[in-house]
Amino acid sequence: KNEVEQSPQNLTAQEGEFITINCSYSVGISALHWLQQHPGGGIVSLFMLSSGKKKHGRLIATINIQEKHSSLHITASHPRDSAVYICAVYSGNTPLVFGKGTRLSVIA
Amino acid sequence: NAGVMQNPRHLVRRRGQEARLRCSPMKGHSHVYWYRQLPEEGLKFMVYLQKENIIDESGMPKERFSAEFPKEGPSILRIQQVVRGDSAAYFCASSPLAGGNQETQYFGPGTRLLVL
Repeated sequence: KNEVEQSPQNLTAQEGEFITINCSYSVGISALHWLQQHPGGGIVSLFMLSSGKKKHGRLIATINIQEKHSSLHITASHPRDSAVYICAVYSGNTPLVFGKGTRLSVIA
Repeated sequence: NAGVMQNPRHLVRRRGQEARLRCSPMKGHSHVYWYRQLPEEGLKFMVYLQKENIIDESGMPKERFSAEFPKEGPSILRIQQVVRGDSAAYFCASSPLAGGNQETQYFGPGTRLLVL
């Protein structure tokens, strides 16, 4: 079974800072998701990637398959980015395995 | 195109009662997934269904929990004889016909179950 670890668990940043959230997993995967869970509880899928890098607005996700590691970057952070960011992985046809999340607070 | 809908959004039950949680997938999506998020815990997979079929129920507790996705109507997650430990947020997600685990999943707003 894949073990998914995220770091840091909690992160507080000043508005405008560049933020990095890390995700490591123990077993080779076919795809990795980054999800955002809002303070109200709703979940939004940000990225699904299996190699390289994806960018959407101020968000960038990268993955290194050999090192079993992915990062989510937020440029020019804003208080509205405050949320829990969750990494989840697929291995073959197994169900999604989730990390415990990184709680981000961006202070104005 | 409406997103994934779940109802109720909040559900309060007393120990021993039944809880029924409903999920209507996005239009055109025939794959439904149920996840549970216990307080201060990460999301955990429960069950994966297609219309009229349970594909993977490896995350479902062996007793009291069942799920269905009928030909018509929403997917239902049913918890019989609820206990306090069932208190959690239950999320449903759906993916398109051509999908499966490699497709983006679209999440519903969740049902927050509180067992008194």
